[in-house]
This record gives sequence, structure tokens and C-alpha cells, in this order.
Amino acid sequence: GENVEQHPSTLSVQEGDSAVIKCTYSDSASNYFPWYKQELGKRPQLIIDIRSNVGEKKDQRIAVTLNKTAKHFSLHITETQPEDSAVYFCAASLSGGYNKLIFGAGTRLAVHP
Amino acid sequence: DGGITQSPKYLFRKEGQNVTLSCEQNLNHDAMYWYRQDPGQGLRLIYYSQIVNDFQKGDIAEGYSVSREKKESFPLTVTSAQKNPTAFYLCASSPPGLRGNQPQHFGDGTRLSIL
Repeated sequence: GENVEQHPSTLSVQEGDSAVIKCTYSDSASNYFPWYKQELGKRPQLIIDIRSNVGEKKDQRIAVTLNKTAKHFSLHITETQPEDSAVYFCAASLSGGYNKLIFGAGTRLAVHP
Repeated sequence: DGGITQSPKYLFRKEGQNVTLSCEQNLNHDAMYWYRQDPGQGLRLIYYSQIVNDFQKGDIAEGYSVSREKKESFPLTVTSAQKNPTAFYLCASSPPGLRGNQPQHFGDGTRLSIL
């Protein structure tokens, strides 16, 4: 079946460093790729998304890149801060289903002061 | 997202008991979804609904049931047939738009445990 693979599962960085999380999807018809941040015990919150007609999108310290040919997309966080510590999930839309998303397993990011 | 309300926040189920999780949204979204999240894992889709009086099974629908009698409400019942119900349950909704191109917004979740 369709799936999204996310790597790494855990990531530890020093404050101020950059963090990169990568996802690979299997459905070549996927056309929407959101990223969510989830703090412990709380709801996932959308932090950035990208559509298949765009190769890169940036919002302050966060950027997402998409390579449709290779079927992978990445989240880049620059100048990391302790409050960036959370679990990050990528997702990809599924073709043939109304706005259905399939999620990656998540990356636990720890930013150390 | 303040427009999606899940209740209760914590729920305990006894053996053989059905329990219902509430999800209400005031965002005027057409589509609503239920996900299950187990510790250290991603979100798995249980059921989703595109419009009132219509819903579809997701990847792990066995042991669960839903209804969509009103646009604002999408309750999830965890039946006694679900043998491992302990998890964090998240409800989400999304606005109408191009297929696969709308963000989903989540509620605060319900944590279900077995007594």
C-alpha cells in the first residue's frame, strides 16, 4: 500500500544549528505535502505545507523542499531554538481519495541549549 | 485550532464496554477525520467523512464506528470489538477545495485507557 517513510526517527542538535528531516512517499500522484509539529500530549499543528507545483517554500526559519522525480521532500529548520523541540510529522496526500493524508512515523527533535 | 473541540480529554473503558468520543467543529469544514496515535508512532486513519451522512473506512476501522448526522459533529465509538483501544485519538477537519490540497486541522485529542 501507499506509505511515507520519514528519517531520522530522532534528531539531536545544539541550539543555533540547523535540522533537516527527510520523507519519501510512494504515491506518484500525491500533490500536497504538509508538515506538522506536535508537542508532548498536544495536537499536531501545521507549520508549513507545499504543493506539487512548487519546488521550495520558506517561512522564516522553516523551509520545505520537494523533489517530485525522486518522490521525496524535506523540512529544514535553521537557527534552531529549544522551543523547536517536538515531534515533527510529514504527510502526503493520496490520489483517488478526498483530501486523505498518509503520515510518516515522526521525528523527535531535541534542541539542546 | 480553537474551532475543533474534542471531549472528554481522558476516558477510561471497562471490558466489554462501548465508549463514544466527541468531536465538534465550528469551522464550517466539510470533511472530518479520526486518527489513532500510539506512543512513538505516526497517525493512522480510522474513519473519514466528506459530507453529512457519508463516511468511509480508513486503514484501521475494525472495532470502531462513526456517524455524521450533522456537519459540525463526527463522533467516534470504540466498541468492545476493539481489543487494544488504549491510544491517543485525534479528530481533524479540512475545508472544501481541490482534492488532496487542503490542510487538516486537529483537535486537542482524547486519551483512552482500559480500566
